[in-house]
Amino acid sequence: NAGVTQTPKFQVLKTGQSMTLQCAQDMNHNSMYWYRQDPGMGLRLIYYSASEGTTDKGEVPNGYNVSRLNKREFSLRLESAAPSQTSVYFCASDRGPLNEQFFGPGTRLTVL
Amino acid sequence: KNEVEQSPQNLTAQEGEFITINCSYSVGISALHWLQQHPGGGIVSLFMLSSGKKKHGRLIATINIQEKHSSLHITASHPRDSAVYICAVSPNGATNKLIFGTGTLLAVQP
Repeated sequence: NAGVTQTPKFQVLKTGQSMTLQCAQDMNHNSMYWYRQDPGMGLRLIYYSASEGTTDKGEVPNGYNVSRLNKREFSLRLESAAPSQTSVYFCASDRGPLNEQFFGPGTRLTVL
Repeated sequence: KNEVEQSPQNLTAQEGEFITINCSYSVGISALHWLQQHPGGGIVSLFMLSSGKKKHGRLIATINIQEKHSSLHITASHPRDSAVYICAVSPNGATNKLIFGTGTLLAVQP
């Protein structure tokens, strides 16, 4: 099992460009999450999907959109990237509330 | 003030020492998580607990719900334990929406 996979691992964008971060899990988990990690701050929830077909905003959703494509895949889209979105992005999944979360390896995004 | 506070922020220990990392939180919770993040970024869940104590190998996690406090202990520390240790809570009524501390950077020297 690959667990949680993310692509790409690294990305550099110019302000205003768009991109989609891809995440997939092969553990048949119901819930999936997107977080961002910034220096000196804890991980912050951007969006989550409690189950296939549903998505909800987290703490910092502005500037992002998500799609739960199917049970395995949950993508994060930046429509018009800004320097403030420079961060490391982690995808995670779990079986549902109050279960252990499994994290992907992260995507390091720089917006110039 | 952050809802989840960890102390210390940085910790240097000698191999073999007993290590304690603390986590305090200010919200009602359904569970508390301890995670480990190694240099290079990968994050791994170590424990999830809602009461009492859990042990896995040389790692022990305890929680006191009344005092809103948890500790992570590492016995017989080893350089491979060097990592960032992160505390996170599942708040009551929003158990999907974890709130994370900023982490404790541990360096264990040989």
